Amino acid sequence: DAKTTQPPSMDCAEGRAANLPCNHSTISGNEYVYWYRQIHSQGPQYIIHGLKNNETNEMASLIITEDRKSSTLILPHATLRDTAVYYCIVRVDGAAGNKLTFGGGTRVLVKP
Amino acid sequence: EAGVAQSPRYKIIEKRQSVAFWCNPISGHATLYWYQQILGQGPKLLIQFQNNGVVDDSQLPKDRFSAERLKGVDSTLKIQPAKLEDSAVYLCASSLERVSPLHFGNGTRLTVT
Repeated sequence: DAKTTQPPSMDCAEGRAANLPCNHSTISGNEYVYWYRQIHSQGPQYIIHGLKNNETNEMASLIITEDRKSSTLILPHATLRDTAVYYCIVRVDGAAGNKLTFGGGTRVLVKP
Repeated sequence: EAGVAQSPRYKIIEKRQSVAFWCNPISGHATLYWYQQILGQGPKLLIQFQNNGVVDDSQLPKDRFSAERLKGVDSTLKIQPAKLEDSAVYLCASSLERVSPLHFGNGTRLTVT
């Protein structure tokens, strides 16, 4: 699995958009970008994933650069409940043992 | 839909004792995973099942850890004997298929004293 690089921590203001960057410069053509988050004392929660195109769902938007070497997760209106560790993961879908390999993630603190 | 259920929520044991964790995945989910999460780190995969067969157990310490998934539904993870470094949260996850997003339970927090 390709490795990802994320900033260890970031703060953002409640009600503002939170933009979380992720670098995956060694990503392969068949690897998807996945985002999960983990709120304290809970298991990781799936947010969104994409291959090439930008994706949006009720939780967030995922912007993937054209060369696919980096991506940004956007939380459009951050709330205090969005305080969590956010993990960016690249994953080969369809291969044997297509596991999620977690890195250290970005610790996001949403402040009032 | 009901989420992934895990029990117990917390467990404290002494080193060299044995312990077992139980996981009930989301109904219909064929793939089941066990992860270990040490404090301050991201989760690490221990074992992956597809129905009741093992797909990947390359990071499972097989001298002390074992896991089974009878009838392709519930799963148990066992540690015998436990060491101090096994103190961690043990997370179970399931997915509808191998290419689907994983859904995690809230884990079992194990403390080995």
